[in-house]
This record gives sequence, C-alpha cells and structure tokens, in this order.
Amino acid sequence: DTAVSQTPKYLVTQMGNDKSIKCEQNLGHDTMYWYKQDSKKFLKIMFSYNNKELIINETVPNRFSPKSPDKAHLNLHINSLELGDSAVYFCASSQVRADLYFGPGTRLTVT
Amino acid sequence: DQQVKQNSPSLSVQEGRISILNCDYTNSMFDYFLWYKKYPAEGPTFLISISSIKDKNEDGRFTVFLNKSAKHLSLHIVPSQPGDSAVYFCAASDRSGTYKYIFGTGTRLKVLA
Repeated sequence: DTAVSQTPKYLVTQMGNDKSIKCEQNLGHDTMYWYKQDSKKFLKIMFSYNNKELIINETVPNRFSPKSPDKAHLNLHINSLELGDSAVYFCASSQVRADLYFGPGTRLTVT
Repeated sequence: DQQVKQNSPSLSVQEGRISILNCDYTNSMFDYFLWYKKYPAEGPTFLISISSIKDKNEDGRFTVFLNKSAKHLSLHIVPSQPGDSAVYFCAASDRSGTYKYIFGTGTRLKVLA
C-alpha cells in the first residue's frame, strides 16, 4: 500500500516546455508539501497546502504553480522549464504539525 | 542562511558499533525535530522525532538526544548494521508557527561489514 505516490518518477524534457508532476496520499493527512532537492542535495520547501488552502509559498518563481483539487492530491505544474529547474521533486504529507511522509520523488531533467 | 546544519557530510562505522550523527540549529523557536533516512532513488523515510519538552527519545536501535541550550541534536544507532547505510537528514520545525520543516544537508553513513 503506497502511502504517498508521485508520477512520473523520471521526467526528461526540453527547455521551454510545460510539465506537471502529480502527487497523491492515502494517509488521510490534512497537509501536503512540495520539496525540491537540488544538485547540492539541499531539501528545500517550495509549497504547502492545508485542506486545499495554500499556507506556505516560498520564494519560488511563479512559473511553478501548485494545485490541490482535494486534500489527497497536490499537483505541481511548471511552465517554461529552465535548465536550473533540473532537480528531484518530493511530495510529502503530514497531519497538522506532525511527522512528514515523503513520496519516492520525481527526477526532472531539463535539456 | 542555513538554519539546520549537519557539518559532517559523511561517516564510516564498523558493523556492530555505534553510529552518532550530529545536527545543529540556529533558530531558538524550533520545538520539534525529526530524523529521516534516505536511500538512493527513494524518498526520505521518517525514523524518529523528538519534541523540545524532552531531551531523549528511543525507538529500538535509534535514540535521539536533544540539547536545547547548545541547539544540538544527535542520532545514535546501536548496533549499526550494513542496511543502515544511507543518507540521514535532520529536520526542525516551529510547530507553534508555520507548517514548515527545515532540513539539514544530510550525512552519508556507511556501515562496514
């Protein structure tokens, strides 16, 4: 039983394209997150939604737009992809102010 | 400004011995701390957590110690096993504030058989 799932696991695309990453959790958690792990292996928070409401929006370019159709799903859409967007993107979920559970990650490569 | 730091990028330990992973933080508002383990090509897996009202929490082979005055926490793994070889991340949160968890840069543990 997968708790937090992401699709796709790998994504290779060209500069300028638009792409989406999907995330779903079956843990019944209220809060979902997107984290980015860059080439230096830093895990940095990008966004957080609580019950479909955006509560954290770090200094992320507005080419990145999260969408939460319901509290079990949090998708990430990226417009006009750039080389610097290449990274591993992790979705996570938690109950309110509790432990984070991560998905397997999506490795995005922009060429 | 890295609020959570893991100053040792790597650590090698003999199987059966103790592994000690360290983490320092700068924000005195942090009141909840977590450790995660990460294997290649997988997401981080939650290991153990500790609230600032405690100074120690144990779960099997894993113990986390918190020294609030020094703004320091450590993860002890006893005894270390080859399957423990992974990257370990500490994370911290101000649970009275936002839902944000700040992660350290990770320590790669290698347990030698």
